[in-house]
Amino acid sequence: NAGVTQTPKFRVLKTGQSMTLLCAQDMNHEYMYWYRQDPGMGLRLIHYSVGEGTTAKGEVPDGYNVSRLKKQNFLLGLESAAPSQTSVYFCASSATNLSQYFGPGTRLLVL
Amino acid sequence: SQQGEEDPQALSIQEGENATMNCSYKTSINNLQWYRQNSGRGLVHLILIRSNEREKHSGRLRVTLDTSKKSSSLLITASRAADTASYFCATDPTPLVFGKGTRLSVIA
Repeated sequence: NAGVTQTPKFRVLKTGQSMTLLCAQDMNHEYMYWYRQDPGMGLRLIHYSVGEGTTAKGEVPDGYNVSRLKKQNFLLGLESAAPSQTSVYFCASSATNLSQYFGPGTRLLVL
Repeated sequence: SQQGEEDPQALSIQEGENATMNCSYKTSINNLQWYRQNSGRGLVHLILIRSNEREKHSGRLRVTLDTSKKSSSLLITASRAADTASYFCATDPTPLVFGKGTRLSVIA
């Protein structure tokens, strides 16, 4: 039982490049979330999903897109990376809107 | 969604002492949760307290909830160096919104 996994763990991008972050959970959770964490800013919600095929915007959705084609996976895409998107990205999942289980994070550096 | 605000922003104590951190929120809730984040790691769920509960214990953790004051406190008793982490509160409804956290340093 791996819980929540994130791929990749670390990535360096050049401005304008695109990439996809993958989140996978093996707990059959309905809810999945993407957060970013910047120094002194706490966690900010980017997008979330309340079930397969559904997505919704969070607090800071601009510059990101998501897809939830399979219940166990939640993908976060950056179409044209910007230095302001340098951050640590965390994925989480939950069975309901209660206890969330977090992945280990992806560190992204945009040059 | 609403945001819990943790206080203080940072706290430094000696090993063996108790650590208390607070969370305030703005509107009525059904439950409130506390999470811990060790440096560079994802958050870990610690405890959930429902709006009809006033106090809850889990090991060395004690959480209180005062819905009239819209506040909660997390007490860690007999702190250890391993308790060094950031602590966040979060409230419903979906999606949860986290505050900036309290950074706890426990000095051996």
